[in-house]
Amino acid sequence: EPEVTQTPSHQVTQMGQEVILRCVPISNHLYFYWYRQILGQKVEFLVSFYNNEISEKSEIFDDQFSVERPDGSNFTLKIRSTKLEDSAMYFCASREPSGIGANVLTFGAGSRLTVL
Amino acid sequence: ILNVEQSPQSLHVQEGDSTNFTCSFPSSNFYALHWYRWETAKSPEALFVMTLNGDEKKKGRISATLNTKEGYSYLYIKGSQPEDSATYLCAFGNDMRFGAGTRLTVKP
Repeated sequence: EPEVTQTPSHQVTQMGQEVILRCVPISNHLYFYWYRQILGQKVEFLVSFYNNEISEKSEIFDDQFSVERPDGSNFTLKIRSTKLEDSAMYFCASREPSGIGANVLTFGAGSRLTVL
Repeated sequence: ILNVEQSPQSLHVQEGDSTNFTCSFPSSNFYALHWYRWETAKSPEALFVMTLNGDEKKKGRISATLNTKEGYSYLYIKGSQPEDSATYLCAFGNDMRFGAGTRLTVKP
């Protein structure tokens, strides 16, 4: 079964460092999302991406964050200068552009970011 | 309601009990309401996508209803089993905003 893959599974970084989290969505999916979950808290929407541009972003997604689809397969989330409060599990998700599966998100296994 | 709200936050039931929990969402400009099941150390798994007022969907022992006019959806689990233990998330809107989830624990 097709799946969304995320790398790395766990990254430890020093405060102020740049981090790039990578996602490979399912190949025929055209809508991409990033979510995060701080330990013990709810899953929070960060950003959605379609047609090579951001569709929507939350108040969390400030200038420190950026997303990119550098090639036909990867979808990346960059945090320019990490803060302690960026420590969280980051989930990538994707969905089909149309059809029965168009409303269903498929999630990756997540990337755990620990900022020291 | 400006955000998606779920209640209760957590629920402990005995094996065999039936249970239900609630997702509340803004009733204006309804697009779609999703239910996901999230087990610890795994990624969220889609259960239902609900789009029409009055929708009722069923998957095995789990079912869900939708009321878009009053802005709520119920998830029901009949005859809970230990393997049903998970966090149940609902998500709303085109940008898929999630509620905080209901953490269900089913004791054998």
